[in-house]
Amino acid sequence: KQEVTQIPAALSVPEGENLVLNCSFTDSAIYNLQWFRQDPGKGLTSLLLIQSSQREQTSGRLNASLDKSSGRSTLYIAASQPGDSATYLCAVELWRSQGNLIFGKGTKLSVKP
Amino acid sequence: DAMVIQNPRYQVTQFGKPVTLSCSQTLNHNVMYWYQQKSSQAPKLLFHYYDKDFNNEADTPDNFQSRRPNTSFCFLDIRSPGLGDAAMYLCATSRDRGRDEKLFFGSGTQLSVL
Repeated sequence: KQEVTQIPAALSVPEGENLVLNCSFTDSAIYNLQWFRQDPGKGLTSLLLIQSSQREQTSGRLNASLDKSSGRSTLYIAASQPGDSATYLCAVELWRSQGNLIFGKGTKLSVKP
Repeated sequence: DAMVIQNPRYQVTQFGKPVTLSCSQTLNHNVMYWYQQKSSQAPKLLFHYYDKDFNNEADTPDNFQSRRPNTSFCFLDIRSPGLGDAAMYLCATSRDRGRDEKLFFGSGTQLSVL
């Protein structure tokens, strides 16, 4: 059974810092891995999608990496801003699934001005 | 402009009283999903529609049903809500099903059961 773990559960940093969020998964037979952002009481916004054949994806100040063999992904946020404060969730799609994403519980990020 | 719209934003129901949550989309996507997210937990897929085909997850309780009368709308029916069904319910869509399709989520409906 695929399990997705995110560490730490919460993170507080001062504005301007670079930071890394971690995601690990137990079954390497994945189609892709996605990173989402969730603001309090809101839905999810897709940030980055990494296909199983790729090693990283970049969008603005965000960079996500994928190491399938070790079952790990990282989300790097450069020059953090207070507006980055949110919960970040990673999710994997399995080869044998039909659109079912397995989510982690997320890392709650707080960027202090 | 909102592309996946969920109504209502907050829903309060009584223990055992049927409740329906709604979702609409302007993306003309083939697939619509319903996820349940309990407080501080990971979202969990309940079921999805691929066009008109209903696909239930194996561990989704029978208490949860869904309807998709047309491409744009999808409903989640909870026949007899229990206290454990209090959660955020998230609707999502994707253009197609399978690898590498991005999901687009609505803002969710927060369900309280009294």
